[in-house]
Amino acid sequence: KAGVTQTPRYLIKTRGQQVTLSCSPISGHRSVSWYQQTPGQGLQFLFEYFSETQRNKGNFPGRFSGRQFSNSRSEMNVSTLELGDSALYLCASSGGTEGYEQYFGPGTRLTVT
Amino acid sequence: GENVEQHPSTLSVQEGDSAVIKCTYSDSASNYFPWYKQELGKGPQLIIDIRSNVGEKKDQRIAVTLNKTAKHFSLHITETQPEDSAVYFCAAKGAGGTSYGKLTFGQGTILTVHP
Repeated sequence: KAGVTQTPRYLIKTRGQQVTLSCSPISGHRSVSWYQQTPGQGLQFLFEYFSETQRNKGNFPGRFSGRQFSNSRSEMNVSTLELGDSALYLCASSGGTEGYEQYFGPGTRLTVT
Repeated sequence: GENVEQHPSTLSVQEGDSAVIKCTYSDSASNYFPWYKQELGKGPQLIIDIRSNVGEKKDQRIAVTLNKTAKHFSLHITETQPEDSAVYFCAAKGAGGTSYGKLTFGQGTILTVHP
């Protein structure tokens, strides 16, 4: 089975711009979670989608949003980028309905200048 | 919300020695505790996990123990090898309140295994 894929792998944006990141989960997985990883804050939960519905949300500002499509692929969007948004953005997919056993993709490295 | 503390932040061992990483969690309702290994340039890889109704789980050289009363869990790696060198993260999944369904991670342990 193919693993979780994320595109693009690297991205450089300017402060104030917006960005969209994409995640394709493992085939058959309906839950997709997004995380932000930084050296200072570690791995922080952004949100989780299950069957096209946001099931859970972390403590991030409204500039961070996401969605999930009927084929379980997910996108996250960050509007009005700030320097502090520079991070590795990871998505993880999970089978079943409870979201256990999350399998991560390689991440998208976002740099905001 | 849930808070997960992980220790030590760095761990250096000789090849063949054992390594132990410990985590404590704050939400007694948490019911799932995975461990991840992250190598440079890669996403975290699930290496072992345990649910709250189990006290110990083993998979070859890796084992995890859970003490629900004390709210702590540990990762044990025996017969370490240089390829075990990586950053290890523990996590806890909330089962109630504001932590429900969310995976909260520890700050990570940099494990270095010297040949």
